Amino acid sequence: DTAVSQTPKYLVTQMGNDKSIKCEQNLGHDTMYWYKQDSKKFLKIMFSYNNKELIINETVPNRFSPKSPDKAHLNLHINSLELGDSAVYFCASSRATPNTEAFFGQGTRLTVV
Amino acid sequence: AQSVTQLGSHVSVSEGALVLLRCNYSSSVPPYLFWYVQYPNQGLQLLLKYTSAATLVKGINGFEAEFKKSETSFHLTKPSAHMSDAAEYFCAVSDGGNNRKLIWGLGTSLAVNP
Repeated sequence: DTAVSQTPKYLVTQMGNDKSIKCEQNLGHDTMYWYKQDSKKFLKIMFSYNNKELIINETVPNRFSPKSPDKAHLNLHINSLELGDSAVYFCASSRATPNTEAFFGQGTRLTVV
Repeated sequence: AQSVTQLGSHVSVSEGALVLLRCNYSSSVPPYLFWYVQYPNQGLQLLLKYTSAATLVKGINGFEAEFKKSETSFHLTKPSAHMSDAAEYFCAVSDGGNNRKLIWGLGTSLAVNP
């Protein structure tokens, strides 16, 4: 069983389109995250939800909107895609205790053309 | 504020040689430190973590790291590199807050030569 699963694994789309990436975790964790990894492998946290409540919202364009229908799911919707949005997006989850490690999904490679 | 510095964006070793990946941290609170590995086209996987229980931490795949408070370091080592160790390695520190945020280093790419 995959602990943190993301779909799709690859996403190629044209500029201006709207797309969504889905994430589900079966670890029973209360906290979920979205990270962006650029071509230089730099990891940047975008959002974090704890039990469906937004707790981290880094400086991210408002074209990016997370949605958490329940604590096992955290989806990422992106409007009006731009070339610079091309990256690998990782979903992760963790327990709701400080100083705990995160468990990552396999990533979604988004390519905007 | 917490920060992490990984010295050396690229490290190359021969198979069977010692692996040493350096991580220095800055933290205003007792730190919780993590090493993650990312194999090509995969997500990040926890190698090991320091949570103040013991200064020498053993992880998966033969890796270990030693927490040295006086040097603010948490270097990752493995006595003998395998070809399969070639990957990207990330050091991270917990920001100590209740939002469970990790502060990440820029990563070190490890190449293992035959």
